[in-house]
Amino acid sequence: SAVISQKPSRDICQRGTSLTIQCQVDSQVTMMFWYRQQPGQSLTLIATANQGSEATYESGFVIDKFPISRPNLTFSTLTVSNMSPEDSSIYLCSVWTSSNYGYTFGSGTRLTVV
Amino acid sequence: AQTVTQSQPEMSVQEAETVTLSCTYDTSESDYYLFWYKQPPSRQMILVIRQEAYKQQNATENRFSVNFQKAAKSFSLKISDSQLGDAAMYFCAYRRSGGANSKLTFGKGITLSVRP
Repeated sequence: SAVISQKPSRDICQRGTSLTIQCQVDSQVTMMFWYRQQPGQSLTLIATANQGSEATYESGFVIDKFPISRPNLTFSTLTVSNMSPEDSSIYLCSVWTSSNYGYTFGSGTRLTVV
Repeated sequence: AQTVTQSQPEMSVQEAETVTLSCTYDTSESDYYLFWYKQPPSRQMILVIRQEAYKQQNATENRFSVNFQKAAKSFSLKISDSQLGDAAMYFCAYRRSGGANSKLTFGKGITLSVRP
């Protein structure tokens, strides 16, 4: 299965600032998925990122708040913009690997906004 | 829309005993995948077991097995010979069969504690 390197692993940010999270995959993948996991909660899909086109956002998430970059088939970034304490969550990226019919996840970014 | 329901927020098991985690789902699709993921405090999501809906045989991975009841839309996870390292949050998840852009839908999760 694919291996994903996600950075940073954690950060503490001031409100009003932005943070960019990176995911690097060790193989080419068509789609990358970005999730948010609020404290003690389940994972909620933010958007699906395809290389060469704009990301597709889920209801309740907008591009201005969570811009996504997908410059090639092995890399993607998610930016959390104009942060507020409500954005404090774990953010995870994920890919589907058809070779083993499973999803692989990055190790997550724990974001705290103060 | 597909939904995944995990009604038990917490469960506890004695070390070396067996525990079953429940999951139900709702879908109009006939072909899909079901998963159980484990998330320890390290927050890394780890695939525990996968079931293809077209397979009647229940999936098994070492101490982990599922009871897949397609007609009842039920997908429970049985952990045998529980170990301290099994303590984690467990998520049941659904994915319809299809292309690479098919989404994974998660249940709310269940926190499993293991008593020594």
